[in-house]
This record gives sequence, C-alpha cells and structure tokens, in this order.
Amino acid sequence: QQQVKQSPQSLIVQKGGISIINCAYENTAFDYFPWYQQFPGKGPALLIAIRPDVSEKKEGRFTISFNKSAKQFSLHIMDSQPGDSATYFCAASMHNFNKFYFGSGTKLNVKP
Amino acid sequence: NAGVTQTPKFQVLKTGQSMTLQCAQDMNHEYMSWYRQDPGMGLRLIHYSVGAGITDQGEVPNGYNVSRSTTEDFPLRLLSAAPSQTSVYFCASTRTPSYEQYFGPGTRLTVT
Repeated sequence: QQQVKQSPQSLIVQKGGISIINCAYENTAFDYFPWYQQFPGKGPALLIAIRPDVSEKKEGRFTISFNKSAKQFSLHIMDSQPGDSATYFCAASMHNFNKFYFGSGTKLNVKP
Repeated sequence: NAGVTQTPKFQVLKTGQSMTLQCAQDMNHEYMSWYRQDPGMGLRLIHYSVGAGITDQGEVPNGYNVSRSTTEDFPLRLLSAAPSQTSVYFCASTRTPSYEQYFGPGTRLTVT
C-alpha cells in the first residue's frame, strides 16, 4: 500500500509554461512534505518543503500548495525551463522524521 | 564538505553472493537512511538509524542488514544477493531540526 500517491507519471510542458505535479496522502500523522528533484545518474536533491500549518510556500519559481482537508499537496513550477527537465518526487514524513514515504515520481520534460 | 558519499558506483553480483555498500557523511548528522529506487516505485526505505548503535527497519528490510558503529558511517549489507535486489541504492543523511534530507550519488547494483 503506497502511502503517497503521485500524478502524473510524466509531463511535457513548453518553455515558459506552468508545470503542476500532484500528490495525495491518507495518513493524517504526516506533518512534513518535501519535494525532491532528481537528474539522471544523480541522487535526489531537496527542492522545497512545507509543513501543514501553512497552505502555500514559494521559493523562486517553485511553489507548494497544501490542502490539509483534502490531504493533497502539489508542486507548481512557474516559467518552466528546459533545465527543469528532471524527475520530481513528493514525500511525506511523520513527527519523528525517521521515515520518509515517497511518491512514485514524475518525469518532467520541458520543451524549448 | 563532501556531503554524503557512496561506494561503489556500480556493482554486478551473482545470485547468492554477499557484499557491503558503503555510505559515509561528514555533516555530523545523527539520522541516516538507506533507500532503493526502482522504476515506477519511487524510493522505498530499507533501514534507517537515529544515531550510532541504533538502527531500525523500514518498508523493505528483508535481505539487508545494517549497523552503525560511528556517526559518519552507515554500511548496508546484502546477505545473499537475489535478482530482486537489482536496483539503485541511495544513502541519505538528515539534518536536524530542519529535517532536510541529503542524498548520496547512488550505487547501481545488478544481480544476475
């Protein structure tokens, strides 16, 4: 049983467009929600993270929207660039932060 | 800082062989974890540690052992390799109290 469900599996966006990736969870004990970016042959790198006491967090072109009642959160990439082409993973963790549960990943391709 | 380092980068094993994947971090983080990454399944937690001498199981621990004798090192042992353990393995360490997770570059393991 997957704790965090991510969609879509792949995404193609034109340069300058908005990329949106969605995640959903069931366990209300989760209270830390990070997004990771992974380039081929590399390890995942933390991109941005949110805690459930806020509904939105923005860092540059990257925004997390969080809907606690719906148990959903999403990553928005504004003004998408070819250099953003990578695989993105959402994750969730509980208060003790010992365990992170990952979504299945979204492969983003930003076309020039 | 080297961050999180992993060796080897690539490894081919025959079924039944054993080996140790090495992981080290120089950030003095207490929390460390091992994940495996398989296509379409995201990252799944194998084992984790909250400090030297303390380890626990994650989602998919069968066939793997860990120990943590120092803060810096967290090796993962495959006891008797099976083709189902063909995967990319990532080690991560977690900064507290922010709980930002840093990943190593990964080890690609093939079991024939």
